[in-house]
Amino acid sequence: EIVLTQSPGTLSLSPGERATLSCRASQSLSTYLAWYQQKPGQAPRLLIYDASNRDTGIPTRFSGSGSGTDFTLTISSLEPEDFGIYYCQQRYKWPPAFGQGTRLEIK
Amino acid sequence: EVQLLDSGGGLVQPGGSLRLSCAASGFTFSSYVMTWVRQAPGKGLEWVSSIFGNGDSIYYADSVKGRFTISRDNSKNTVFLQMNNLRAEDTAVYYCAKDRYSGAAFDVWGRGTMVTVSS
Repeated sequence: EIVLTQSPGTLSLSPGERATLSCRASQSLSTYLAWYQQKPGQAPRLLIYDASNRDTGIPTRFSGSGSGTDFTLTISSLEPEDFGIYYCQQRYKWPPAFGQGTRLEIK
Repeated sequence: EVQLLDSGGGLVQPGGSLRLSCAASGFTFSSYVMTWVRQAPGKGLEWVSSIFGNGDSIYYADSVKGRFTISRDNSKNTVFLQMNNLRAEDTAVYYCAKDRYSGAAFDVWGRGTMVTVSS
C-alpha cells in the first residue's frame, strides 16, 4: 500500500507570495499524482492531474511538478481565495490514497 | 452540466445499516469509474470504494471490506453504497466522485452526505 506524506502541515503566507507544497510517496508513482483543494464545508476540487496538468478552469498560477516519489504543487502568487487544505492523491496502484493534507492559511 | 447528487445519509445506531445513492447527470455514466470517498469530522480524505463502468471490477478499503458493498445501475445513472454493521468510526461525510476521462484523478464530486453512527 502506497503512503503519501505531505509537508509542511501548515503554511501561512501573505497574498502575492509564492506557496510551495510537497508530497512524497513511499514508492514510485511515475506521474500518476493529483492535487486537490478543499475549502470548509465544500467538496474537494481537482487542481492538477498526472502531476503537472491543470484541470479545466484552474488558474495558471497553480502548477504541479515532479515524478517518481517527489511532487510539488506551486501557487505562484497567492490570492485570498486560495486558503484551504490541499491534498495529494495517487492512483498509480490500488488502493488509491490521499496525503494527510497541507493547510494553507492566508495572512 | 456534469453533476453528482449524493444522498441517503443520516443518524444510525452502531450495528445498523444505511444505503447511500449518487445520481449522475451530464456525462456517459457507464463509461466511468465511480468512487466513494469519506471524510471524518476534522480529518482528511479517505478512499472507501470504487467500481468500474461495467461493474466487473470493484475495490474496497480494508476498513470497510466485508461490511460495505458498492454497486451501480447504469440504466438509472446511479451508484450506491450499502453500509452494514456500521461503527462509530464510520461517522463521516461521504462523497461520490467521478474519474476524469484521462488521468487517474477524480474530477467531479458530489456535495457529500453526512453519516453519523451513534447510540
